[in-house]
This record gives sequence, structure tokens and C-alpha cells, in this order.
Amino acid sequence: KAGVTQTPRYLIKTRGQQVTLSCSPISGHRSVSWYQQTPGQGLQFLFEYFSETQRNKGNFPGRFSGRQFSNSRSEMNVSTLELGDSALYLCASSSGGGGDGYTFGSGTRLTVV
Amino acid sequence: ELKVEQNPLFLSMQEGKNYTIYCNYSTTSDRLYWYRQDPGKSLESLFVLLSNGAVKQEGRLMASLDTKARLSTLHITAAVHDLSATYFCAPKGNFNKFYFGSGTKLNVKP
Repeated sequence: KAGVTQTPRYLIKTRGQQVTLSCSPISGHRSVSWYQQTPGQGLQFLFEYFSETQRNKGNFPGRFSGRQFSNSRSEMNVSTLELGDSALYLCASSSGGGGDGYTFGSGTRLTVV
Repeated sequence: ELKVEQNPLFLSMQEGKNYTIYCNYSTTSDRLYWYRQDPGKSLESLFVLLSNGAVKQEGRLMASLDTKARLSTLHITAAVHDLSATYFCAPKGNFNKFYFGSGTKLNVKP
């Protein structure tokens, strides 16, 4: 069965721009979580969407937002990009119930210049 | 909020040696995952531990969970170069959210 698909794989943006990342979860999975990974801060939780509703949220500024569509695909948006937003953004899907673990996508490598 | 502490953060070892990675967490959790990440790649699930005393083994890796001590270990037996990667533990907290440790970067030298 198809895994978690993230697009694009690589992205270069300029400070002040905005960016949208996409994640298609495993078929049948209703939960999508987003993480930011940087060498200095490790894996940090951004938010989780379940059935089109944000269910959990991490401690990121409002420039980071997301949404989930009825087919469970999710998008993450970062506005007014800063150099510190350069990171690997990972999407993880799960069925959403009972605490079953994540299956991660390959990630989107965002570089802000 | 659940805090996770892994140690060591870096581990350099010779092939053939044994070692253990430790994962301590701050509040009660009823399940814990171990993941592996190769450089530039995503995270791959290795083990899920669901109860106190659970032990899972795959090849040269064995994971265990002590929920009373809030401790999980990942033991490496007779390490080989292919095990070089970063290993993360992730206990489950409230609201089905998983919390990740800082990761242990393992380098197995030939």
C-alpha cells in the first residue's frame, strides 16, 4: 500500500515569502501530524489534524498554520518566512485512534535564504 | 507536558561491541515507540512497546519498557556498521500525541 507522500521534497524560499507544503497520508488514515526537525532543536511538534479539525497544537507562532481536507490530505503553510524556518518538515500519518504510532513521510527540506 | 530525555546523544562504537541507549520520560505513558532515522531520510518505526516489561527484538536490536521507572532501553548487540543512524524514542502522552527524545546518533566504526 502507498506510504505517506510529501511534496515538494525540496524548496528554497526567500525571507518574507510564504510557503505551502502538502502531505497525503496512508489510505484510511485520518490523522496527520506535522513536525519540524532542525539540528539544534530536534523534532518539534507543530500540529495534528484529525477529520479536518486541528486536534493538537505545538508551541509555534501563528505564522505556522495548517488544514486538512475531507480526503485527509493536509497542507501546512508558513507565512513571512524567517531564516530560522529552514528545516526538514515531516508529516506523519496514523489512524488517529488508540495511540497507534506514526508512519512518516520523506519530508520536505525547506531552505530560507 | 511529557519530557523525554535520551542518553547518550552521541555514541561511537566499534563493530562487535554491545551498548545500550536509554530513554527516560517524565509522566506516565502506556506505549512507546522507537524510530530509526538515516541521514537525510525520514523516520522508520522499529518497535512499539505496549506494556510494562514488554520486550521486543529484531536482529541485533532489543527494546524494553519499564513503565514504573518511566524508562525504555534500546540494546545493541554485536554492532555492525549498518546500524549507524539516529535513534529516537517516542512515548505517548495525552491526546494521542507522541513526544520525541533528542535522538541518539550512533556511529559504528568498522
